[in-house]
Amino acid sequence: DVQLVESGGGLVQPGGSLRLSCAASKFTFNAFWMSWVRQRPGKGLEFVAHIKEDASEKYYVDSVKGRFIISRDNAENSLYLQMDGLRVEDTAVYYCARGGRDTQYQFFEFWGQGAPVTVSS
Amino acid sequence: DIVMTQSPGSLTLSLGERATIKCKSSQSVLYKSNNKNYLAWYQQKPGQSPKLLFYWASTRQSGVPDRFSGSGSGTDFTLTINSLQAEDVAVYYCQEYYTTRHTFGQGTKLQIK
Repeated sequence: DVQLVESGGGLVQPGGSLRLSCAASKFTFNAFWMSWVRQRPGKGLEFVAHIKEDASEKYYVDSVKGRFIISRDNAENSLYLQMDGLRVEDTAVYYCARGGRDTQYQFFEFWGQGAPVTVSS
Repeated sequence: DIVMTQSPGSLTLSLGERATIKCKSSQSVLYKSNNKNYLAWYQQKPGQSPKLLFYWASTRQSGVPDRFSGSGSGTDFTLTINSLQAEDVAVYYCQEYYTTRHTFGQGTKLQIK
């Protein structure tokens, strides 16, 4: 079965940086868009960013533009989220999710277990 | 930007009853060239990751019990759960994937009396 396993979460001070990773397996990673979705404590789901199969297109929610960078390594079957300039409001569980094959306009069929990120002094 | 509005915000019903959850988008998510509604429903149980229930508004994901159904088109959508079971306690989200933003509704919390 498809597996998505996030890592790299933790506690960081405001203004700090963190890099999340998502290890993918049991599917052809380089054939799918990949996404990050977050969930603030006690709140709903929020799309953060996604990246095309060959990394030639990337999209971000306005609140993270200029601070977060999504990337992928197809040779390693891995997705990343570099988070700089972290703010208290970035505190959330970050989920890695698989998007569509050859299209960004697709639902999220598979999700990871989530990586908790806490931004606090 | 599309705004997805779910109602009600929370729902408390008895075992065996029917739950009806509404999702309204601020603009149509029906793509006319293929006549598909770019609308998904997810279930998130306490402490778990979201799970896909329906896509294209009414296509049931493999493994989802048939007492769950999705319907609607354009801007108005409904998730119906017949004969509620204890394991249906969860928060349910709709999501549009018609735009790059993939906006989610705010969620509907379903509880059992």
